[in-house]
Amino acid sequence: AQSVSQHNHHVILSEAASLELGCNYSYGGTVNLFWYVQYPGQHLQLLLKYFSGDPLVKGIKGFEAEFIKSKFSFNLRKPSVQWSDTAEYFCAVTRPNTDKLIFGTGTRLQVFP
Amino acid sequence: DTAVSQTPKYLVTQMGNDKSIKCEQNLGHDTMYWYKQDSKKFLKIMFSYNNKELIINETVPNRFSPKSPDKAHLNLHINSLELGDSAVYFCASSPWTGDGKQPQHFGDGTRLSIL
Repeated sequence: AQSVSQHNHHVILSEAASLELGCNYSYGGTVNLFWYVQYPGQHLQLLLKYFSGDPLVKGIKGFEAEFIKSKFSFNLRKPSVQWSDTAEYFCAVTRPNTDKLIFGTGTRLQVFP
Repeated sequence: DTAVSQTPKYLVTQMGNDKSIKCEQNLGHDTMYWYKQDSKKFLKIMFSYNNKELIINETVPNRFSPKSPDKAHLNLHINSLELGDSAVYFCASSPWTGDGKQPQHFGDGTRLSIL
């Protein structure tokens, strides 16, 4: 079945550590890619998005993601995490002719001071 | 100046009851959505409306009925509530382009608990 996979279910890091969260999708052809973040008790917010062009995209709060077409991946990275980055992170995909967002299962990130 | 607002924030009720969740957006968007987030945090789309017309209707029990009185509102009515309906329900909105590129703006969620 076509889907979005996030293999890291729970990541625990110390402040200043580097972060990489995996995201793979199984759709062929063109896709639109998103990362959303959900801070504890809050709504989802957009971190960054990729449609085309430079495969390395920068988002808010120092996050970036790299689209690797051959690997069907869109991994999220941050060089140095902060305690305030503790949240649930969701990768999501849409196809070109629909606004239907397909979410991954999410990755819970805990950052300890 | 809340962009997407949902009421109520919490809803605790018994099995078999009927309940509604309301959603309003003041962003001027044409498209609104309902998502269900289960206990494992998995988010799945339920419905989408564009300018009051249903455009996405996922495999959802027909006990769930969305209603869009105008493009700024999308309400969700649930009949005969079951234990499995316990979840957080998120409303979202986006501009309409039909190309899947518009980020969606989410409400704070409604936590529904069925006793």
